[in-house]
Amino acid sequence: ETGVTQTPRHLVMGMTNKKSLKCEQHLGHNAMYWYKQSAKKPLELMFVYNFKEQTENNSVPSRFSPECPNSSHLFLHLHTLQPEDSALYLCASSQDGTDTDTKQYFGPGTRLTVT
Amino acid sequence: DAKTTQPPSMDCAEGRAANLPCNHSTISGNEYVYWYRQIHSQGPQYIIHGLKNNETNEMASLIITEDRKSSTLILPHATLRDTAVYYCIVRVVTSGTYKYIFGTGTRLKVLA
Repeated sequence: ETGVTQTPRHLVMGMTNKKSLKCEQHLGHNAMYWYKQSAKKPLELMFVYNFKEQTENNSVPSRFSPECPNSSHLFLHLHTLQPEDSALYLCASSQDGTDTDTKQYFGPGTRLTVT
Repeated sequence: DAKTTQPPSMDCAEGRAANLPCNHSTISGNEYVYWYRQIHSQGPQYIIHGLKNNETNEMASLIITEDRKSSTLILPHATLRDTAVYYCIVRVVTSGTYKYIFGTGTRLKVLA
């Protein structure tokens, strides 16, 4: 699926660094999502944005800060991360987060390693 | 918590049909069942979804029982490239927003 892109694909950062993950969708969708997938664990929903408004924060630590400047772009700003934050971070989009019948399209993910 | 339960793993011979079961006994009347798969460390890929009726597309078929408490994803002629983790999902809604709660899925291994 090429409709959702994520950059960078791989990132290594120290615990004192600040970095950002970027997600862009070219599907004309209005809802965007961040998920975290740690090794051998299910995907965990982190944040949901619907029409640029944050509608879900799944008790995510404040060292993760999302930003949604428009319906096509979603960022995840990272600062003072811990080694246990190393994971695959996945972005997804859907037509409308409040629709009863809508599927999500996922990006390829960013593999983050915190050293 | 995920609203679905799936067997942790299954094997299937190449060229044979793969039948992946899913239980969703607490599903509500207007909730859809979605199936995705994730090939090693890639983003999940949509396969199919349905509400009540059986569905078929170019990738798979979805059979939903009449009471809607379980479903089966059928890959009619499995290939090695179908080796992946398959997720059955019933969305939950909080504050008007629908969201996926992923379980651990079924790891399907297609054998040559």
